[in-house]
Amino acid sequence: AQSVTQLDSQVPVFEEAPVELRCNYSSSVSVYLFWYVQYPNQGLQLLLKYLSGSTLVKGINGFEAEFNKSQTSFHLRKPSVHISDTAEYFCAVSEGYGNKLVFGAGTILRVKS
Amino acid sequence: GAVVSQHPSWVICKSGTSVKIECRSLDFQATTMFWYRQFPKQSLMLMATSNEGSKATYEQGVEKDKFLINHASLTLSTLTVTSAHPEDSSFYICSAKRAGGFEAFFGQGTRLTVV
Repeated sequence: AQSVTQLDSQVPVFEEAPVELRCNYSSSVSVYLFWYVQYPNQGLQLLLKYLSGSTLVKGINGFEAEFNKSQTSFHLRKPSVHISDTAEYFCAVSEGYGNKLVFGAGTILRVKS
Repeated sequence: GAVVSQHPSWVICKSGTSVKIECRSLDFQATTMFWYRQFPKQSLMLMATSNEGSKATYEQGVEKDKFLINHASLTLSTLTVTSAHPEDSSFYICSAKRAGGFEAFFGQGTRLTVV
């Protein structure tokens, strides 16, 4: 069975500082990996996804993530955050296209001025 | 991009009544739709997967007679919470996928409060 662990429940950071949100997964087969962002009382928006190929994936809003198979990680990074990046971020894994997503517990990113 | 719309965005109902939530794919055909529940300060938990024209597949621990899911067309799935109780109060989110697609597109969610 798949599982996703987001190691930090909250990450406070000052504006324009870099940030890394950590995500580790477990699965017995090849997986597809996703990062979503959720603003209060809204649905989820896809930031980026890893399906195959280059392990460094670039997404929207300046975010990127690196797939590390040996460490079973898919950490999300941004070199310089903005106040508007304050939201909750979810890492998710799927064992194949068309299959269900399993989500991590989420990480709340709080950007302070 | 693909757009998924949920209606209503929020609903308050009395205990014992039923509530229907709609999930529509506005500009694509969704062969598969997923329903999630999210409790405050928690992650999304998958409730069920529905494929157009067939019965939904429910996750373990989800009461299929309480949470009725219908996916009668390629653009519409509905979740009906029957005989709602305060413990059913939650944020319900749907997502939809095209045939052969990798990405799931999410609706904006429905906040259900049962009083």
